Amino acid sequence: DQQVKQNSPSLSVQEGRISILNCDYTNSMFDYFLWYKKYPAEGPTFLISISSIKDKNEDGRFTVFLNKSAKHLSLHIVPSQPGDSAVYFCAASANAGNNRKLIWGLGTSLAVNP
Amino acid sequence: NAGVTQTPKFRILKIGQSMTLQCTQDMNHNYMYWYRQDPGMGLKLIYYSVGAGITDKGEVPNGYNVSRSTTEDFPLRLELAAPSQTSVYFCASSYYVELFFGSGTQLSVL
Repeated sequence: DQQVKQNSPSLSVQEGRISILNCDYTNSMFDYFLWYKKYPAEGPTFLISISSIKDKNEDGRFTVFLNKSAKHLSLHIVPSQPGDSAVYFCAASANAGNNRKLIWGLGTSLAVNP
Repeated sequence: NAGVTQTPKFRILKIGQSMTLQCTQDMNHNYMYWYRQDPGMGLKLIYYSVGAGITDKGEVPNGYNVSRSTTEDFPLRLELAAPSQTSVYFCASSYYVELFFGSGTQLSVL
């Protein structure tokens, strides 16, 4: 039962255009969402996050939008650069006793073409 | 500031062998985690720790053991390695929700 779904395994975008990566979730208890970026042979690195009390968070070229009613979030990268080519993971967090449980999507591989 | 350091980066084991994957962090984080990532799959939580002396199972703990004697170190022990444990292993630490990951250990069991 995949609670966090990234339905597009891959995405190809032209340099300078917008990249939109999507993520859907099923559990209404999730109250914090994160995006991570992963290059080959490296660990994931934190990119941007959003609390469920907000509908938008922006950090430079990266913006995350949250639609709670649709249980959907998206990551926008504008403008896309070749260095953005990586796998992007969406993760959702909920309280779980003495820890915060983090559930991961399967990732979307983004290729930004020069 | 080194962050999260994992060793070794690569390892090949024979079926039935044992090994310990080392993980250390210098950020004074209470929370530490071990994940595995199989090809084309997301991250699966093996074990986690909320502080020194406290560990708990994640989604896929079978075949693994952990210990947390200090805040800094969180080693993962594989006993009787099996081909199903061929994977990339990531250690991570956090203060709250945002995780900081090590660079990973690629393990093959043949």
